[in-house]
Amino acid sequence: DIQMTQSPSTLSASVGDSVTITCRASQSVSNWLAWYQQKPGKAPKVLIDGASSLHSGVPSRFSGSGSGTEFTLTISSLQPDDVATYYCQQYRSYSPITFGQGTRLEIK
Amino acid sequence: QLQLQESGPGLVKPSETLSLTCSVSGGSISSHLYYWGWIRQPPGKGLEWLGNVFYRGTTYYNPSLKSRLNISVDTSQNQFSLKLTSVTAADTAVYYCGRSTTFGMILIGWFDPWGQGTQVTVSS
Repeated sequence: DIQMTQSPSTLSASVGDSVTITCRASQSVSNWLAWYQQKPGKAPKVLIDGASSLHSGVPSRFSGSGSGTEFTLTISSLQPDDVATYYCQQYRSYSPITFGQGTRLEIK
Repeated sequence: QLQLQESGPGLVKPSETLSLTCSVSGGSISSHLYYWGWIRQPPGKGLEWLGNVFYRGTTYYNPSLKSRLNISVDTSQNQFSLKLTSVTAADTAVYYCGRSTTFGMILIGWFDPWGQGTQVTVSS
């Protein structure tokens, strides 16, 4: 299995701050990586695929980068609506598809 | 706009079979561009991929669940289903269905959209 490890597990920041979440893969996944946002009681919503391609309708303050084994999700100017848990998912291997353990983002 | 909706019992007894259906509306399940999948989330925990099915019936399962899991598709009803046998309390979770894109060498990509999820509790 390709293990996906996110850091930090919890992140607290102020409105307007720039925040970065890291996702590391136990082996190379090339750029076959997606990021999701999950708000409490809701299904996850895809933000980014291909490590850096922003999905339609996702605010431009979200951006992704990286390749191989290290990836980052950056929110350039944190908004109250961004409070959520964020997950990465690799799709380099479907045996199995794996997710990171999640990063919970809070507002100070 | 494509929508997915999970349905099935919210309570299952230990050792019995968990059965869920995902109904797809706003688009056809019979597309060579997509696989259709199941993901679950135990209370307070992260996401676990269970498996995917293609409209022609090809399936891919998480090896950790493969012996207990069956995913099937019914194109006439535009839906796909999950059966998980011999359930225990560890199978208590919110179960989501989702569509995943297939392209090039990538059989199962990211999931978009997702259903709203359905809570399944395993308890006697």
